[in-house]
Amino acid sequence: AAGVIQSPRHLIKEKRETATLKCYPIPRHDTVYWYQQGPGQDPQFLISFYEKMQSDKGSIPDRFSAQQFSDYHSELNMSSLELGDSALYFCASSFGQPSYNEQFFGPGTRLTVL
Amino acid sequence: AQTVTQSQPEMSVQEAETVTLSCTYDTSENNYYLFWYKQPPSRQMILVIRQEAYKQQNATENRFSVNFQKAAKSFSLKISDSQLGDTAMYFCAFMKPGTASKLTFGTGTRLQVTL
Repeated sequence: AAGVIQSPRHLIKEKRETATLKCYPIPRHDTVYWYQQGPGQDPQFLISFYEKMQSDKGSIPDRFSAQQFSDYHSELNMSSLELGDSALYFCASSFGQPSYNEQFFGPGTRLTVL
Repeated sequence: AQTVTQSQPEMSVQEAETVTLSCTYDTSENNYYLFWYKQPPSRQMILVIRQEAYKQQNATENRFSVNFQKAAKSFSLKISDSQLGDTAMYFCAFMKPGTASKLTFGTGTRLQVTL
């Protein structure tokens, strides 16, 4: 079965650079979530989209922005990168309705900021 | 806001034995969902088991079962007949009903299964 695809899988950037992470949800899934997992920490919710509209927002820095496109893929744009942004970034997808549907996680993008 | 607490940072169990991981949560919601996720060394997040708060019956998935105590806001995971492949980080998570509702995770319990 198709899974959530994230690209790139690994990314190395310098401080103050920008990065773009991409997420391709499971076909027919209309909801995308982004989570950030720092070293030795639990995943923290950043932002979610349902039917291409922002649905909920967590502890996402103002330097970060995201969107969901017409084909339901999503991109997380990160600017002015800081050392503390080094983390594993997960994308998950689900059906938005009914109110509970399992979130399927992608393999993550490991971002290292030097 | 909801909080999820896992008070056991690390646990160890011998192969074939049974182990229980603890989780408590705090919420004012009456209806919600609870989950246990497994994160092996590959870092992939894998759903182990889920529980709907409105169901009194405890969820079971093969060797994995939960003890859900709604009044006590407790949601423990029992792993029976532990296998080496169960070695992983285990996260308890909470979700409110609703479109695109987020998961709130606990800090995790690192489980080591030994020979």
